[in-house]
Amino acid sequence: QVQLVQSGAEVKKPGASVKVSCKASGYTFTSYGISWVRQAPGQGLEWMGWISAYNGNTNYAQKLQGRVTMTTDTSTSTAYMELRSLRSDDTAVYYCARDRVDNWNDVDYWGQGTLVTVSS
Amino acid sequence: SYELTQPSSVSVSPGQTARITCSGDVLAKKYARWFQQKPGQAPVLVIYKDSERPSGIPERFSGSSSGTTVTLTISGAQVEDEADYYCYSAADTKGVFGTGTKVTVL
Repeated sequence: QVQLVQSGAEVKKPGASVKVSCKASGYTFTSYGISWVRQAPGQGLEWMGWISAYNGNTNYAQKLQGRVTMTTDTSTSTAYMELRSLRSDDTAVYYCARDRVDNWNDVDYWGQGTLVTVSS
Repeated sequence: SYELTQPSSVSVSPGQTARITCSGDVLAKKYARWFQQKPGQAPVLVIYKDSERPSGIPERFSGSSSGTTVTLTISGAQVEDEADYYCYSAADTKGVFGTGTKVTVL
């Protein structure tokens, strides 16, 4: 069965960086992409961006351009999302989700989420 | 526009029908998906391609589309269907989630 297992909760200070991992199993990793979505406390879902696990192509949300980097390691079927220059409003649960290999049209299975808290 | 608008809340009695709408210009050209999210849990896909139901999703969940609006219908809502529901569509340059609807079954 498809599983996406994310890394554990993080507490960071403003200005720091965080890197969240998402280990996939139960499917051929390079035949799909990974989208990242975040959810601030009590708020809705926000699409952050997408990466193809086949060729590494990416598409980031405009508001995060320059602060976010998404990568994959095909040898371990793991996707990573790094967010830099953290601010208090980056406090959220971050989710990875399986998606199409060529675009962000078909989000289906989700990871369990990783809480990132940004606080001084 | 790249916004998807949903009602903030819908309330139904058990066994009744709940309908949740999602409106946005992008829906005239792109399919929508619907996700169910219960407190403290990750979202779960309940409808894709406007009206297709993934395996394991109860038949009481259905979807439809008309112009720039898609609708998720829960026929014979159960107490366990109480959750937040989000529509999603992929615009040319980004993914977009709806504003979310809290469904209360009581």
